[in-house]
Amino acid sequence: QVQLVQSGAEVKKPGASVKVSCKASGYTFSGHYIHWVRQAPGQGLEWMGRINPNSGGTNYAQKFQGRVTMTRDTSISTAYMELSRLRSDDTAVYYCARDPSQIGSSLYYFDSWGQGTLVTVSS
Amino acid sequence: QSALTQPASVSGSPGQSITISCSGTSSDGGSYNFVSWYQQQPGKAPKLMIYGGSKRPSGVSYRFSGSKSGNTASLTISGLQAEDEADYYCCSYVGGSTLALFGGGTKLTVL
Repeated sequence: QVQLVQSGAEVKKPGASVKVSCKASGYTFSGHYIHWVRQAPGQGLEWMGRINPNSGGTNYAQKFQGRVTMTRDTSISTAYMELSRLRSDDTAVYYCARDPSQIGSSLYYFDSWGQGTLVTVSS
Repeated sequence: QSALTQPASVSGSPGQSITISCSGTSSDGGSYNFVSWYQQQPGKAPKLMIYGGSKRPSGVSYRFSGSKSGNTASLTISGLQAEDEADYYCCSYVGGSTLALFGGGTKLTVL
């Protein structure tokens, strides 16, 4: 079965960077986009961007451009999301999620989600 | 871009039907065909309930359905059950650099 397992919780100081990993199993990693979505405490879901695991191509939400970098390592079926210049309002649970549609014909929905990684930004 | 617009809360009694609206899916450059809905229980990751506007993934109850009227997509839950109490989010492709937007979320209370 499809499974996405994320790295553990992080505590960072303002101005630092954080890198969250998302290890995929149960399907062909390179065949489907991985998206990143975050949720601040008590708030709604926010789309951050996506990566094409086959080509490494990325699309980032305008809000995060210049601060977010999404990468992947196909040899270990793992996607990464790095967010830099952290601020207190970046405190959130960060999720990775799989788009089950074929790359090139995305339907922009997410059928499998990681368990979430809490990133706390505090001085 | 602002989030898609959903009511903050809805409620219903067991057995009743409720509808959650999601507006802005077209004016933001999106398409109804790319509207999806997610259920989120406290402390859990979201769960896909509807995709492609009205398609139901295997394993999701027939009580959940998606539709569209004008510029608004909707999620209807029929035969409400206590286990349906959760937060619900719509999501739509909107194009541009920010490819996808979520709604602000709706808290469903089963009375």
